[in-house]
Amino acid sequence: AQSVTQLGSHVSVSEGALVLLRCNYSSSVPPYLFWYVQYPNQGLQLLLKYTSAATLVKGINGFEAEFKKSETSFHLTKPSAHMSDAAEYFCAVSDRRAAGNKLTFGGGTRVLVKP
Amino acid sequence: DGGITQSPKYLFRKEGQNVTLSCEQNLNHDAMYWYRQDPGQGLRLIYYSQIVNDFQKGDIAEGYSVSREKKESFPLTVTSAQKNPTAFYLCASSFQGGNQPQHFGDGTRLSIL
Repeated sequence: AQSVTQLGSHVSVSEGALVLLRCNYSSSVPPYLFWYVQYPNQGLQLLLKYTSAATLVKGINGFEAEFKKSETSFHLTKPSAHMSDAAEYFCAVSDRRAAGNKLTFGGGTRVLVKP
Repeated sequence: DGGITQSPKYLFRKEGQNVTLSCEQNLNHDAMYWYRQDPGQGLRLIYYSQIVNDFQKGDIAEGYSVSREKKESFPLTVTSAQKNPTAFYLCASSFQGGNQPQHFGDGTRLSIL
């Protein structure tokens, strides 16, 4: 079965500093990969996705993620944090060998942005 | 605007009661999903449906039931057999295909009185 690990349940960054959120997957075949953001008491919003095109994927709100097959990773970054980036972020994978598109989610990383 | 509507936003259940959470989408998506979210545990799949009149159990289906009579609708019933129903429930939908992202509603928060 697929699994997703997000290292660090909480991350604190200063406004203007780099945001780095880590995601590692376990699968012998690279899955489809997604990053979502969730604001309090809301649903999840798609930030970006990797579906085997370019390994560096740009998303909304200035976020990007790089797929590294050798490291089974799909880390999310943003060069300069903004107060509005305070939210919870989820990495998710979909097994490209399976019918349908069930997602397996990581446990989430909550980002706090300090002024 | 197209989207996913979940209602109600807050729901309270008495012991022994069944309650039904509504999920409607107008995105013309074939597949729909129900997730449960508990603090610090990410999202866990309860049920999913890839076509009308068909659905499959997810990882934590015990104590829940669903129906898919219309493409647009995928209601979730939390039965009295679910002993710990207090959680945030999220509905999602997508086109078919593993590379298709899921789109989420704003959730229903269920609490036990």
